[in-house]
Amino acid sequence: EAGVVQSPRYKIIEKKQPVAFWCNPISGHNTLYWYRQNLGQGPELLIRYENEEAVDDSQLPKDRFSAERLKGVDSTLKIQPAELGDSAVYLCASSFSGTGGEKLFFGSGTQLSVL
Amino acid sequence: SQQGEEDPQALSIQEGENATMNCSYKTSINNLQWYRQNSGRGLVHLILIRSNEREKHSGRLRVTLDTSKKSSSLLITASRAADTASYFCATDWTGANSKLTFGKGITLSVRP
Repeated sequence: EAGVVQSPRYKIIEKKQPVAFWCNPISGHNTLYWYRQNLGQGPELLIRYENEEAVDDSQLPKDRFSAERLKGVDSTLKIQPAELGDSAVYLCASSFSGTGGEKLFFGSGTQLSVL
Repeated sequence: SQQGEEDPQALSIQEGENATMNCSYKTSINNLQWYRQNSGRGLVHLILIRSNEREKHSGRLRVTLDTSKKSSSLLITASRAADTASYFCATDWTGANSKLTFGKGITLSVRP
């Protein structure tokens, strides 16, 4: 079974530049998550999709971050413009959402460095 | 914050020893999960324990949950160098807008 695939693996950009991350979840998983993980911290949820619908985006900084999940499969997360404080690892995860208590499958993440 | 807090922040043991990691949380939960993260990789699910369960086992892992104390522990028996990683507890609390929330993690080093 293929896992969650993310690209790129690393990204280095200058501040004020745009950047985009891509995620392909595990086939059949209807719930997709984007997390941000700062160095030495646990992941923090940015947005959660159930199929095409963003059901929780309360932690997404909407002035500069946007996300989409077309056709309820792949997803992209965009930052425009990037700021120094956006340097972090961006993790995508997916799960098969039932009645709760589902375990999450994570990709390897995209490590973003904003210079 | 609803996130769990792990204790200790870092743990160093000799191969073959047992490792015990603790997690405390503040609100009522539906379930608690433990994840492992190797350096530079994503998180891997280890075990889930529901609020009505007190103990679960999976291979060399043993998880306990004490809802009265709002705490959980993860025990890794007969540790191996390959167990070196960061370990996170994640809580799924009850109520509206529930989401899986991760703690800051524990760094475990197992010396060969």
